[in-house]
Order: sequence, then C-alpha cells, then structure tokens
Amino acid sequence: DAKTTQPNSMESNEEEPVHLPCNHSTISGTDYIHWYRQLPSQGPEYVIHGLTSNVNNRMASLAIAEDRKSSTLILHRATLRDAAVYYCILRDGGSGGSNYKLTFGKGTLLTVNP
Amino acid sequence: NAGVMQNPRHLVRRRGQEARLRCSPMKGHSHVYWYRQLPEEGLKFMVYLQKENIIDESGMPKERFSAEFPKEGPSILRIQQVVRGDSAAYFCASSRRQGTYEQYFGPGTRLTVT
Repeated sequence: DAKTTQPNSMESNEEEPVHLPCNHSTISGTDYIHWYRQLPSQGPEYVIHGLTSNVNNRMASLAIAEDRKSSTLILHRATLRDAAVYYCILRDGGSGGSNYKLTFGKGTLLTVNP
Repeated sequence: NAGVMQNPRHLVRRRGQEARLRCSPMKGHSHVYWYRQLPEEGLKFMVYLQKENIIDESGMPKERFSAEFPKEGPSILRIQQVVRGDSAAYFCASSRRQGTYEQYFGPGTRLTVT
C-alpha cells in the first residue's frame, strides 16, 4: 500500500481554520485519499475522501495538490469537539486487491485551545 | 438511522476465559470489518466478513480468534482462552458495499484481561 506521512501533532485555537497536511508521494493513479478521525475513547469516524478534485462536505474540505502527491484537510472553524487524531489513508480504487482494508498510521493529534 | 452498535462496551475477563464481542452493522450494510487497537498503537485490520462468509481473515491471530457473521443476528468476534496481551479496544465497522466506500465504525468494545 502506498504510504502517507503526517505530522505527529498540531495545535489550533477555537474558531480558527485548521489545515492538516498529508504527503503521499508514491500515490498511484487509482488511489483515493480518505480521511478519518478518532475522538478520544471513540471509534474512528469517516470525514471525507477524494480522488483528484477538491471536495467539500459539511464536516470539512479536502484540497488535493495538482500532482496528487499531497493533500490538506481543512476544518474551517475548529471547535473543541474537533480535537482528535486525524488519519490520512490511501485506498486503491482499482478492481481486485484488498482495498476494503483501512490501513491506519499514527495520524496527527489535533489539539484545539479554547 | 442507528449507527453501528457494539456490545458490550467494556468487558473484563480472567486469563483463560472466553470473550465474545458483538457487532450489529448499520441498516442496509452487509459488509463487516473488525479492527483491533492495542494500547498506544494504531488500529489494525483483523477480518472482513459478509453474511455467512469470511472474505479475508489475514489480520486475525492464527489461534484462539474466530469471527462469524450469520444470516440472522450480529457479527461475533470470539476470543478463546484470553491472555493479557488480548487487552485492547476492538472496533467493528460496516459498509454498504465492498471496496473503497466509507466504513462506519462502532464505539468499540474495550477488553481487559486480568
């Protein structure tokens, strides 16, 4: 599986935007970029995913670099409830293989200050 | 629409006992995945099941662990003769289809072996 690299931790202030980076320089043409987050003592939660174009949903935005070797998860206004570990995961969209497996790395621990 | 349900939320077992963890997927989802999160480690894939079929159990320890997803009822992860190293959080996820579709996680079962 293609690997991702994320900072171990980031800090933000409440009500401010947060940009969480992810590098995936070995991404293949069929890899989707998925983001999940895990709040303390809870199961992971799907946030957003994309292939080539930027994506928006009610939780966040995903900005994907033109060469697709990096992406950024954007929380437009961080709240205390956004404090979590954020995981950037690549999933092969091609047929076959074990693309149903989510391979979690260490992720980025986001701390939100009041 | 109820989310993925897991029970019990907390389970304490003595060494040598059996642990049974149950997972009810979201309504309309026929694909179930189990993941394990050991203390201070990331989530690791264990097994992928569809109704009455084990699709991929490559992440399951070879001994003492088994999983099923019967035609009726929840998916069960069974751990026989538990040891202290089995203490972990076990998460179940479900999806509507196979592949790169988002997975929805339950709150987890925290197993403590004394």
